[in-house]
Amino acid sequence: EDQVTQSPEALRLQEGESSSLNCSYTVSGLRGLFWYRQDPGKGPEFLFTLYSAGEEKEKERLKATLTKKESFLHITAPKPEDSATYLCAVSRSGYSTLTFGKGTMLLVSP
Amino acid sequence: DARVTQTPRHKVTEMGQEVTMRCQPILGHNTVFWYRQTMMQGLELLAYFRNRAPLDDSGMPKDRFSAEMPDATLATLKIQPSEPRDSAVYFCASGSRQTNYGYTFGSGTRLTVV
Repeated sequence: EDQVTQSPEALRLQEGESSSLNCSYTVSGLRGLFWYRQDPGKGPEFLFTLYSAGEEKEKERLKATLTKKESFLHITAPKPEDSATYLCAVSRSGYSTLTFGKGTMLLVSP
Repeated sequence: DARVTQTPRHKVTEMGQEVTMRCQPILGHNTVFWYRQTMMQGLELLAYFRNRAPLDDSGMPKDRFSAEMPDATLATLKIQPSEPRDSAVYFCASGSRQTNYGYTFGSGTRLTVV
């Protein structure tokens, strides 16, 4: 069974204080690892897909990296508008469905 | 921007009543999912369609839940009879090979069963 564990459950940062969120996964043949952002009262918003170990992707202050067992979402100099829950999900090779972690709730204070 | 549209946004119903949730996927997306989100369990897959054909509904309580895609522009999720434990936010998502399966989620239906 595919498993995704995210840590920490919650993270509070000061504006400009860089940090990383972790996503550990177990899957039989990784097709892709996905990062989503979810704001309160809204659906998850797609950020990145990573397909193989060593791959990195960036978007504004966010950078996602992937190893064979985990992924990190690095947030550089965060701003209050980066406050959200960040969700990690995996998809198994040959499948389209996503298995989600429970997310990390990020709060960035001014 | 193209969106996945879900209706209703909120639904409060009494235990035992039938609930129908609707989803309009993005035009051209051939893969549609229903997920349920709760604080305790997070996002759980309920059903999955490709080209309107159901491929996986193993996450769905079969005795009370049903999911269909009567046409390419409409996906439905029905609960009959509803129970308090069904209270959750239900999301529809769509995608395709062209989006590299980076799925777009709707805003969800928040269901409260009293």
